[in-house]
Amino acid sequence: GDSVTQMEGPVTLSEEACLTINCTYTATGYPSLFWYVQYPGEGLQLLLKATKADDKGSNKGFEATYRKETTSFHLEKGSVQVSDSAVYFCALSDENFGNEKLTFGTGTRLTIIP
Amino acid sequence: EPEVTQTPSHQVTQMGQEVILRCVPISNHLYFYWYRQILGQKVEFLVSFYNNEISEKSEIFDDQFSVERPDGSNFTLKIRSTKLEDSAMYFCASNGDSNQPQHFGDGTRLSIL
Repeated sequence: GDSVTQMEGPVTLSEEACLTINCTYTATGYPSLFWYVQYPGEGLQLLLKATKADDKGSNKGFEATYRKETTSFHLEKGSVQVSDSAVYFCALSDENFGNEKLTFGTGTRLTIIP
Repeated sequence: EPEVTQTPSHQVTQMGQEVILRCVPISNHLYFYWYRQILGQKVEFLVSFYNNEISEKSEIFDDQFSVERPDGSNFTLKIRSTKLEDSAMYFCASNGDSNQPQHFGDGTRLSIL
């Protein structure tokens, strides 16, 4: 079945440091890939997405590139801020957005210290 | 921006009791989902719902669980006889056409005593 493996946390970085959170996946079809973010006390918010190989999703300074050859979708940001502290979830949907369940990774808790 | 809303934010229930978690999806969305997240674990799919019927359910979604869209706006998850292991955060999500990702509510924290 489908699965998502993401970097174990927690991750603690200083403000303005570079961030990479690794994510790899296993899927039977041609999945769409997502990063969701969960800020303290809130629900899951879509951060970025990519629907096919070599697509790059980007939002709020975060980027992730859909790499079919390595089955990866690593999340990157060049300079993190304290407000980026949250839990980040990598996820996939195996066909299209319409009616497919999301399969999530375990989440990575990120803490940015001033 | 339209939001998925869930009530209550926190529900405390005695083991063996029935509980109903409520969700109001975004108004023009057609596909609805429930997920749960046990403390410290990953978010797990429970069930998807379209056109007034379940389209897919996971192994977790056993006979104790049911979903309903009782009117044009609400989408509910019922757990008939709660167990301690049902304690988790339950998230509702919805999406519209095939080009839209799922939008999540803030969740209901269910605590079974």
